[in-house]
Amino acid sequence: DAKTTQPPSMDCAEGRAANLPCNHSTISGNEYVYWYRQIHSQGPQYIIHGLKNNETNEMASLIITEDRKSSTLILPHATLRDTAVYYCIGNTGNQFYFGTGTSLTVIP
Amino acid sequence: AAGVIQSPRHLIKEKRETATLKCYPIPRHDTVYWYQQGPGQDPQFLISFYEKMQSDKGSIPDRFSAQQFSDYHSELNMSSLELGDSALYFCASSFTYNEQFFGPGTRLTVL
Repeated sequence: DAKTTQPPSMDCAEGRAANLPCNHSTISGNEYVYWYRQIHSQGPQYIIHGLKNNETNEMASLIITEDRKSSTLILPHATLRDTAVYYCIGNTGNQFYFGTGTSLTVIP
Repeated sequence: AAGVIQSPRHLIKEKRETATLKCYPIPRHDTVYWYQQGPGQDPQFLISFYEKMQSDKGSIPDRFSAQQFSDYHSELNMSSLELGDSALYFCASSFTYNEQFFGPGTRLTVL
């Protein structure tokens, strides 16, 4: 599974878009990019995943570069409840290897 | 929608005791995963089962064992508990190897 690199922490103003980057330069052709978040000791929550194309759901958008070496998770209108640790995971379908993630703080 | 159920939610044990954690996957999910998250750490994969067979193994100590039953629920058995086993234990389930949905976790404290 691809090793992923994320900034350790980010701040975002409430109501603004939060853009969380992830580097996964070693990702292989059949590895999906998954995004999860964990809010203080709760179970990780699935957000979105993609392979090559950009994806959007009710929670977020995922932008994957054409070479698939990096991606960006976009929370379009961040709220205080989006404060969490966000994990970017490269995965071929079985076990997930969580990296250190990005601790996002949404500021009022 | 139904979610992953884990029991118990909290468990306190003494050193060298045994513990059994249970996981009930989302209905129709056939794959179960176990993760351990120590204090201030990120979740670490322990073991997974697909259709009642072990499918992958991570950093699970030899003192731990797990299985998936005919109704797809899973149990993680932990023996000779050590202080370092104190952690959150998450179970996740998926339909084959699609996105995993995590339970609320069991907080194990070893005294």
